[in-house]
Amino acid sequence: DAGITQSPRYKITETGRQVTLMCHQTWSHSYMFWYRQDLGHGLRLIYYSAAADITDKGEVPDGYVVSRSKTENFPLTLESATRSQTSVYFCASTLGGWNTEAFFGQGTRLTVV
Amino acid sequence: DAKTTQPPSMDCAEGRAANLPCNHSTISGNEYVYWYRQIHSQGPQYIIHGLKNNETNEMASLIITEDRKSSTLILPHATLRDTAVYYCIVRVAGRGAGGTSYGKLTFGQGTILTVHP
Repeated sequence: DAGITQSPRYKITETGRQVTLMCHQTWSHSYMFWYRQDLGHGLRLIYYSAAADITDKGEVPDGYVVSRSKTENFPLTLESATRSQTSVYFCASTLGGWNTEAFFGQGTRLTVV
Repeated sequence: DAKTTQPPSMDCAEGRAANLPCNHSTISGNEYVYWYRQIHSQGPQYIIHGLKNNETNEMASLIITEDRKSSTLILPHATLRDTAVYYCIVRVAGRGAGGTSYGKLTFGQGTILTVHP
């Protein structure tokens, strides 16, 4: 299906575990983003990528790792999950520049126990 | 980065126009104003964007003041399905590790719009 998809939609993991959230888009958009959303904080940018093999930190990158070996995929890895990383995670993509709209996935609700 | 200020909440009667204000007094000349909305638990949805001129699409109209320090999103005939959090965003241009410019979207707290029957 065309669009941007995130998987899994829901995930429960234990403190200290490594977990990877997947994001896949079918438009060949150059730019991809990861956000987290918590009550009282709105959407905060974790990492972004301007193209394959080009990534950079956003506002809250600590504890997260990203990679982008292929244009269409932008996985987000929590190397050692903590309770403070319990959140809803959104992936987004945009064609490029700052005059184009961004498309968001439906989100992954992650709970760290 | 230009910051935006929005009222935390607004109400609107169904069928009436909803006018959502946004202040962005520090906006730079090449920064666009974007509006997104987020309906409960879903990913944000693009509504409209503009630079200087007023813009209209099938969803809404965007009115930007001449000095570009503020804007208003207008939903001409609000429905119950328009109840959502509306975000006004100034699109920031920046450079990543590879030297490539990008348009980072930085979200504020937004306005909770409640449309009443």
